[in-house]
Amino acid sequence: GAGVSQSPRYKVAKRGQDVALRCDPISGHVSLFWYQQALGQGPEFLTYFQNEAQLDKSGLPSDRFFAERPEGSVSTLKIQRTQQEDSAVYLCASSFYEASGASSYEQYFGPGTRLTVT
Amino acid sequence: AQRVTQPEKLLSVFKGAPVELKCNYSYSGSPELFWYVQYSRQRLQLLLRHISRESIKGFTADLNKGETSFHLKKPFAQEEDSAMYYCALRANTGNQFYFGTGTSLTVIP
Repeated sequence: GAGVSQSPRYKVAKRGQDVALRCDPISGHVSLFWYQQALGQGPEFLTYFQNEAQLDKSGLPSDRFFAERPEGSVSTLKIQRTQQEDSAVYLCASSFYEASGASSYEQYFGPGTRLTVT
Repeated sequence: AQRVTQPEKLLSVFKGAPVELKCNYSYSGSPELFWYVQYSRQRLQLLLRHISRESIKGFTADLNKGETSFHLKKPFAQEEDSAMYYCALRANTGNQFYFGTGTSLTVIP
């Protein structure tokens, strides 16, 4: 079956523009994560969804960042009034299990969206 | 606070030589540790997790709680091991993962 997909793969935005990044997780996956990966860095946690509920948004860097997953499948990460420091690869990952489960589980990553703010 | 440290940005070894990618962590409680790998032009994927105590593609990693380390090892490096490797920690809450900055491994033929 298809893995996690993200669109667009590349996005160039002028400073101040709003952008929307889409993630299609693997069908049936309960958990969905968003990460931000700046150049030369590892992925940094942004937010977590369990089905449609956003259970953790502690990693969102500012109130310009907003994520939703209204039907518990596709998720959108929106960034308002983009700034140059928002330039990064945005990764989405999904997992079959709930994150709070005691047992370990695997996250499946998408290819990422590379956002460049000029 | 940096929770996962990978001190080597770049690591080069010759084919057939042993390889060790270092990972140290800082976290109270009992975290889970993972290694993720990203091959050229591919997406990030799980390599192994400490809880499974498994060997994948000849790689092993032992969690050393005393030294708070989770180093990745392979006795004989292969060219196809060239990739970016990330150590990651899953927090007690379950849903937060902390990644290191990654080590780029190059295996020289």
